Amino acid sequence: NAGVTQTPKFRVLKTGQSMTLLCAQDMNHEYMYWYRQDPGMGLRLIHYSVGEGTTAKGEVPDGYNVSRLKKQNFLLGLESAAPSQTSVYFCASSYSPSGGITDTQYFGPGTRLTVL
Amino acid sequence: AQSVTQLGSHVSVSEGALVLLRCNYSSSVPPYLFWYVQYPNQGLQLLLKYTTGATLVKGINGFEAEFKKSETSFHLTKPSAHMSDAAEYFCAVRNYGGSQGNLIFGKGTKLSVKP
Repeated sequence: NAGVTQTPKFRVLKTGQSMTLLCAQDMNHEYMYWYRQDPGMGLRLIHYSVGEGTTAKGEVPDGYNVSRLKKQNFLLGLESAAPSQTSVYFCASSYSPSGGITDTQYFGPGTRLTVL
Repeated sequence: AQSVTQLGSHVSVSEGALVLLRCNYSSSVPPYLFWYVQYPNQGLQLLLKYTTGATLVKGINGFEAEFKKSETSFHLTKPSAHMSDAAEYFCAVRNYGGSQGNLIFGKGTKLSVKP
């Protein structure tokens, strides 16, 4: 099993450009998450999904959109990148048939994004 | 609402010394608590978690944590530090709110281990 993979690993954008980050998991997990990590801030939830075709907002959703067309994939989009979106982005997944309260989240290796 | 506070953004210990990383939580319901570790340029990996039952939880790499309800704490310890323990450690609490399954993370504690 590859676990949780993220593409790309690094990216540099100019202000106003758009891009999509791809997260894939091969563990048949129902729940998937996108976090951003900033120095001294810990990880903050951007969006999450509790199953194929469903998404919901997390703590810091502004400026991002997501889609979960396939169970194994969770895409994070930036329509018009801003310097404030410079961060490290982590995807995670968990197996949650009954609600997910105690399930472990498995994290990908991260995508380092710089917006100039 | 749940929240987590990690005391000390940076902790430095000598190799072989006790590791103690502090985490206090706030929760109006019985909390589910987690410790994750992040090695440089890597994603997060679960060290251990507390859900119910035994309050002393053992994790990987010799780490353990004790849930103390009276102190609202979930401190992480390891009797003897190794150089390979140098990493950033995050305490987290499960969110019972609208984003079911979400983790609320502390700001992290970076552990340095001196030879």
